[in-house]
Amino acid sequence: SSELTQDPAVSVALGQTVRITCQGNSLRGSYASWYQQKPGRAPILVIYGENNRPSGIPDRFSGSTSGNTASLSITGAQAEDEADYYCYSGDRSNNQWVFGGGTKLTVL
Amino acid sequence: QVQMTQSGTEVKKPGASVKLSCKASGHITNYIHWVRQAPGQGLEWMGVISPSGNTVVYAQKLQGRVTMTIDTSASTVYMELSSLRYEDMAVYYCAKDWSATSGGSQYWWIDPWGQGTLVTVSS
Repeated sequence: SSELTQDPAVSVALGQTVRITCQGNSLRGSYASWYQQKPGRAPILVIYGENNRPSGIPDRFSGSTSGNTASLSITGAQAEDEADYYCYSGDRSNNQWVFGGGTKLTVL
Repeated sequence: QVQMTQSGTEVKKPGASVKLSCKASGHITNYIHWVRQAPGQGLEWMGVISPSGNTVVYAQKLQGRVTMTIDTSASTVYMELSSLRYEDMAVYYCAKDWSATSGGSQYWWIDPWGQGTLVTVSS
């Protein structure tokens, strides 16, 4: 089955840099997209493709991929970045799409 | 860009069916995904439907209980879930699919999302 694995929780000091990772076989030869979700709100797209940000997403958000691991980095984390973050990808081998389990980011 | 507007809260008994709608503000030209989120849990991909409705792919876990359809004239996508269980209680989202290829690598993203529909399962 398709699986993407994320650390359940990560913390970062205000203004510091944090990396959230996502591992899975479906990421080989592909890129993850990343979503930010705050309590009671629908997810919003923050990174897609090799390292693309939708309009309105601050440039402190960036993405990278190596082998079967995708990473979302926040450089100079702000209090408003505290949220749950999910990775997402498709698995062409079985025509399924999948989300990672999510990472709860705490900004200290 | 196209906005997705979903139908309102539903309360259903176990064993019943629920049919949710997701209306696009313009013509549906991309695949549409359905994603759900149980209380306190992560996002779960449910399935995807093509703009014509001719191609539908469901999550293996939900095969046999979920049906996705599309009314192209109304720019509306529907998701019906049958034989509801307590564990189906969740917020259900629709979202627009995008895909691209770069350097031989295909990748996907979904944007925008609908506002979500709460489905409560209670006896």
